[in-house]
Amino acid sequence: DIQMTQSPASLSASLGETVTIECRASEDIYNGLAWYQQKPGKSPQLLIYNANSLHTGVPSRFSGSGSGTQYSLKINSLQSEDVASYFCQQYYDYPFTFGSGTKLEIK
Amino acid sequence: QVTLKESGPGMLQPSKTLSLTCSFSGFSLSTSGMVVSWIRQPSGKSLEWLAAIDWDGDKYYNPSLKSRLTVSKDTSNTQVFLKITSVDIADTATYYCARRSTGPFDYWGQGVMVTVSS
Repeated sequence: DIQMTQSPASLSASLGETVTIECRASEDIYNGLAWYQQKPGKSPQLLIYNANSLHTGVPSRFSGSGSGTQYSLKINSLQSEDVASYFCQQYYDYPFTFGSGTKLEIK
Repeated sequence: QVTLKESGPGMLQPSKTLSLTCSFSGFSLSTSGMVVSWIRQPSGKSLEWLAAIDWDGDKYYNPSLKSRLTVSKDTSNTQVFLKITSVDIADTATYYCARRSTGPFDYWGQGVMVTVSS
């Protein structure tokens, strides 16, 4: 199985700040990487796919980058509605695997 | 409009078989490339992919649970089912079904909470 190591586990930032979440795969996943946002009590929602493509309707302050085994999610100009947990997921190979998640709070 | 909705027993006893149903609309599982997966999430924890079935009827399982899982679909291609045998407390989680074609999970159901307790 491909292991996904996500960091940090939690993050506290001020409104308007820029935050970055990292995800490392145990082997090359050739950009088969997605980022999801999950608000409390809700199902995950797709933000980014193919490592750097913005899903339909997602605000442009979200962006993804990376290649090989290293990927990141950046949120510019943090808004109050961005409070959520964020997960990375590789879909390069079965079994699909997720990162451990990052809980984002407003300072 | 794509929608998925999970249904299940809510609570069941250890050693029993868990049966879940994913009912969906807005797409056809007979369309080439379409896949429906099952994913679960214990409270406060991360997500675990369990199984998938594709438009061609091919099935995929997480090796860590494969011996206990069975995924299937109905002949009308509007429902997908998951059975988990010999459940125990560790199977307590919210279970989601989600759609994907060639990439990520682009649509998710609302999830169904399942508690395993005696």
